[in-house]
Amino acid sequence: SAVISQKPSRDICQRGTSLTIQCQVDSQVTMMFWYRQQPGQSLTLIATANQGSEATYESGFVIDKFPISRPNLTFSTLTVSNMSPEDSSIYLCSVGVDNYGYTFGSGTRLTVV
Amino acid sequence: DAKTTQPPSMDCAEGRAANLPCNHSTISGNEYVYWYRQIHSQGPQYIIHGLKNNETNEMASLIITEDRKSSTLILPHATLRDTAVYYCIVRVAGGDDKIIFGKGTRLHILP
Repeated sequence: SAVISQKPSRDICQRGTSLTIQCQVDSQVTMMFWYRQQPGQSLTLIATANQGSEATYESGFVIDKFPISRPNLTFSTLTVSNMSPEDSSIYLCSVGVDNYGYTFGSGTRLTVV
Repeated sequence: DAKTTQPPSMDCAEGRAANLPCNHSTISGNEYVYWYRQIHSQGPQYIIHGLKNNETNEMASLIITEDRKSSTLILPHATLRDTAVYYCIVRVAGGDDKIIFGKGTRLHILP
């Protein structure tokens, strides 16, 4: 299965600032997916990132708050903009892999103070 | 919305078999059942998947009912390290479809 490197693994940020999370895959993939996991909750899909086109956002998530880049088939970034304490969550990227369904990064644990 | 429903939590004694049920009554003919688990906020980890036949690997067994509307993940000899949240998901194998997670089952292994 694919191997994903996600950075940073954790960060503590001031409210009003932005954080960019990077996701690097060791193979070329068509789709990359970004999830948010709030404390004690399941994973919620933020958006699907397709190389060469704008990301597709799920209901409740907007590009101004969570801009996504997908410059090539192995890399994507998610920015959490103008952060507030409510954005404190774990953010995960994921890619589809034929035999194993999906592979996930180890996550970025974000705390906004 | 998630296409699966699972009990929110279960307990199992260490060394016993843990049987985790999942309902997926609207599953399509070309959709597989996948199971993942998430240990203490790490990224979810693949366990097993199947279409209609029962499957077994080194981690677990998957039993799918004949009508494919439900399945059971079996951890044959649960250990404390199996304490995790277990997610049952349906998807088309090989596709790039997004997956929507349900709430999963929080499995507690009791010493």
